[in-house]
Amino acid sequence: QKEVEQNSGPLSVPEGAIASLNCTYSDRVSQSFFWYRQYSGKSPELIMSIYSNGDKEDGRFTAQLNKASQYVSLLIRDSQPSDSATYLCAVTSNTGKLIFGQGTTLQVKP
Amino acid sequence: EPEVTQTPSHQVTQMGQEVILRCVPISNHLYFYWYRQILGQKVEFLVSFYNNEISEKSEIFDDQFSVERPDGSNFTLKIRSTKLEDSAMYFCASSELDSNTEAFFGQGTRLTVV
Repeated sequence: QKEVEQNSGPLSVPEGAIASLNCTYSDRVSQSFFWYRQYSGKSPELIMSIYSNGDKEDGRFTAQLNKASQYVSLLIRDSQPSDSATYLCAVTSNTGKLIFGQGTTLQVKP
Repeated sequence: EPEVTQTPSHQVTQMGQEVILRCVPISNHLYFYWYRQILGQKVEFLVSFYNNEISEKSEIFDDQFSVERPDGSNFTLKIRSTKLEDSAMYFCASSELDSNTEAFFGQGTRLTVV
């Protein structure tokens, strides 16, 4: 069973701090890696994609990928209360379907 | 900004009835997907569709489910005889190029089976 694992949280950080979200995956042939943000009752919103080992930065977000360790992370710098949401890690295999983790709930406290 | 649109936003149906959930993918996208999310659970893959045929389906996508692209813009999910356990949020998604590029989700249809 191909799986994506995340700590469900909640992860609570003060406003302005760095939030660090982690994800591991079981399928070594996974090719593409994504972070989605999901507000309660809403659809997943794509915030980052990463395809190769290393870091990828986009504004306050940095995604990190380590294929040898089968590990993906998302760093959110200068966290804002509006960042409070569930963050979903998703991976694709060669078939293209997205396999989601259960999500980590982030709470940013003013 | 182009977006995936889904209708209706909320559908209530009686057990055993047929429902059709509708989606308009982003216009230049070639890959289409349906996912569902039961309240409090993970987002689960149902089916992927490319070049007017199903490219992959999950164990959830049994004979009660079907998908269709009836014209150049719409992509539909039909559930023939709904069960209580079909109650969930159903999300349509599309991606532009090959199956490993970014997928964008519609706002979802909340299906409630009573």
